[in-house]
Amino acid sequence: ETGVTQSPTHLIKTRGQQVTLRCSSQSGHNTVSWYQQALGQGPQFIFQYYREEENGRGNFPPRFSGLQFPNYSSELNVNALELDDSALYLCASSSGPDSYNEQFFGPGTRLTVL
Amino acid sequence: AQSVTQLGSHVSVSEGALVLLRCNYSSSVPPYLFWYVQYPNQGLQLLLKYTSAATLVKGINGFEAEFKKSETSFHLTKPSAHLSDAAEYFCAVISGTGGFKTIFGAGTRLFVKA
Repeated sequence: ETGVTQSPTHLIKTRGQQVTLRCSSQSGHNTVSWYQQALGQGPQFIFQYYREEENGRGNFPPRFSGLQFPNYSSELNVNALELDDSALYLCASSSGPDSYNEQFFGPGTRLTVL
Repeated sequence: AQSVTQLGSHVSVSEGALVLLRCNYSSSVPPYLFWYVQYPNQGLQLLLKYTSAATLVKGINGFEAEFKKSETSFHLTKPSAHLSDAAEYFCAVISGTGGFKTIFGAGTRLFVKA
C-alpha cells in the first residue's frame, strides 16, 4: 500500500504566473484535502474534494482551484501568483469526507514565488 | 467558529524529562481534536485523536492527551522525552460529526537537549 505522494517537491515561479500541484491519494481513499502552510504557521484548509466534487472550501480566493480525477488523484491550481502564495502545500487523503476518517498527509510541495 | 491556540511557539526539555505541549480550543459544538507531528521536510503524521469517547487518549510514540471540557484544553504529554521527539507539533480541531474542515494551531517546536 503506497502512501500519499506529491509532485513536484519544490517549485519556483514568478508573480503573475500559474502553477499546478499534483497529489496521488493513498490506495482506497476517495477524499482529498489541500492545505497551505506558510513559514512558521500551521496548515490552513484550502478545499476538499470527495468523489470528484468540491465538498467544501476555506477562505481562499477563486484563483485557487482544484480537480479530482476518477482515480482520486488530485490537482491544485493557482492562477495569478502573488508573493504571499509562497508556502508549503500539503494534500491529505482519507477514506471519506467526515471528520472521523483519518487524514494521511503527503510530504508537500514547497512553492516559492519571486 | 472553531479555533485552536497553542501556548508557546517553542518548548525546550532535557532528554528524559516530561513533555507538556499546551492546546486550548474553541468550538460551538462538541469537537474532534487531534495532535499531529511534523518532522523537517515531511508531511504531518497523526499522533492521536479525541472523538468523544474516553477523555484520556493514548497515541503513538508514548504520547497521550487529556480532553478537559471545563478548561477547553487538550494538552499533549509524554512522561520521558527522547531525542527523536524533536519536531513541530500541531493541535487541530474539527467540529464534530459531519464536519470536515480541520483548523490547525500555529504549532509548537519541541527541542530536546541531550
